[in-house]
Amino acid sequence: KQEVTQIPAALSVPEGENLVLNCSFTDSAIYNLQWFRQDPGKGLTSLLLIQSSQREQTSGRLNASLDKSSGRSTLYIAASQPGDSATYLCAVYSGGFKTIFGAGTRLFVKA
Amino acid sequence: EAQVTQNPRYLITVTGKKLTVTCSQNMNHEYMSWYRQDPGLGLRQIYYSMNVEVTDKGDVPEGYKVSRKEKRNFPLILESPSPNQTSLYFCASSYERGSYEQYFGPGTRLTVT
Repeated sequence: KQEVTQIPAALSVPEGENLVLNCSFTDSAIYNLQWFRQDPGKGLTSLLLIQSSQREQTSGRLNASLDKSSGRSTLYIAASQPGDSATYLCAVYSGGFKTIFGAGTRLFVKA
Repeated sequence: EAQVTQNPRYLITVTGKKLTVTCSQNMNHEYMSWYRQDPGLGLRQIYYSMNVEVTDKGDVPEGYKVSRKEKRNFPLILESPSPNQTSLYFCASSYERGSYEQYFGPGTRLTVT
């Protein structure tokens, strides 16, 4: 059964710092991995999706990588800003129309 | 605008009073799904649908029902809500092939007293 883990659970950094969020999964047979952002009490905003055949995806200050063989993905945020403060979730789709989410990393960027 | 909509956005109800949360998407997606989000547990899949009249259980289906009579709609039904179903609910949709990228609705916050 697929399990998805996100480390750290919470992170506080000063503004301007580059940071890495981690997502690990137990079954490497995945179709895609999707990173989301969630503001408190709000919905999910899709940030990046990496298909199983891809190694990384970039959007602005965000870069997501995928290493299926080791069961890991990282989300790199460059030059963090207070507006980046949110919870970041990774979700793994392994086929069979089932998606497994990690518990998230709560990020706080201090001005 | 491509979107997934949910109604109501907020709902407070009492134990045992049947309720329905609606979900609709305008992207002609085949796949739709319901999740619940609870503190410390993350998002867990309740039910999903691969197409009209085709549904299956996710990880936490107990106490919920769904139906898919039209491609665009996927309502979530709680026939006898209980306090442990107090949660934040999300509906999502995607194409059944390709990238399988999921699009999420804004969420419905349900409180059962």
